[in-house]
Amino acid sequence: ILNVEQSPQSLHVQEGDSTNFTCSFPSSNFYALHWYRWETAKSPEALFVMTLNGDEKKKGRISATLNTKEGYSYLYIKGSQPEDSATYLCAFTGTASKLTFGTGTRLQVTL
Amino acid sequence: KAGVTQTPRYLIKTRGQQVTLSCSPISGHRSVSWYQQTPGQGLQFLFEYFSETQRNKGNFPGRFSGRQFSNSRSEMNVSTLELGDSALYLCASRPTGTGSNEQFFGPGTRLTVL
Repeated sequence: ILNVEQSPQSLHVQEGDSTNFTCSFPSSNFYALHWYRWETAKSPEALFVMTLNGDEKKKGRISATLNTKEGYSYLYIKGSQPEDSATYLCAFTGTASKLTFGTGTRLQVTL
Repeated sequence: KAGVTQTPRYLIKTRGQQVTLSCSPISGHRSVSWYQQTPGQGLQFLFEYFSETQRNKGNFPGRFSGRQFSNSRSEMNVSTLELGDSALYLCASRPTGTGSNEQFFGPGTRLTVL
């Protein structure tokens, strides 16, 4: 059984704060690690797909790092805005193409 | 390009009934996967179809089945519905042959079993 764990489960920050979340996953049979952003009543939206150990990806104020040897990834949000409020999901892909998801980190950004 | 579409968006059924959900992938995407989300659980993988064949299957009972048509549209069927089947069902499509594993999700079908 593959376990993908995310922490914290939820987070409440103020506008302008920077924050980060953790995703841990099995380090064996690794193929890719995905980050998704899921706003209420919308479809999950892909943020990053990361495959190489040491990968760092950035999209605007959001960035992510990957350590496949120890089995963790961090997602960072710099200067949080209310529109960043969403659930952030990570998902692991091993040798099969299915995604194994964590339960997500629910972020709420207030003014 | 149009995104992944799912129909219906909402559905109410009673225990013992059966239900069929539909998913139309992004044009050109031949792989379709189905996921279930229940409160407090992450997205749980149900199955993946590619070229009308089931390629992967998650750990769900045989009441959950699916199929894919030649135009890559997919349907998911749940027979003998139970209260615990109340969930959000998402489908996702992805391009194949590109080396990318990125999946594109539809808006989901919310199923309520009474």
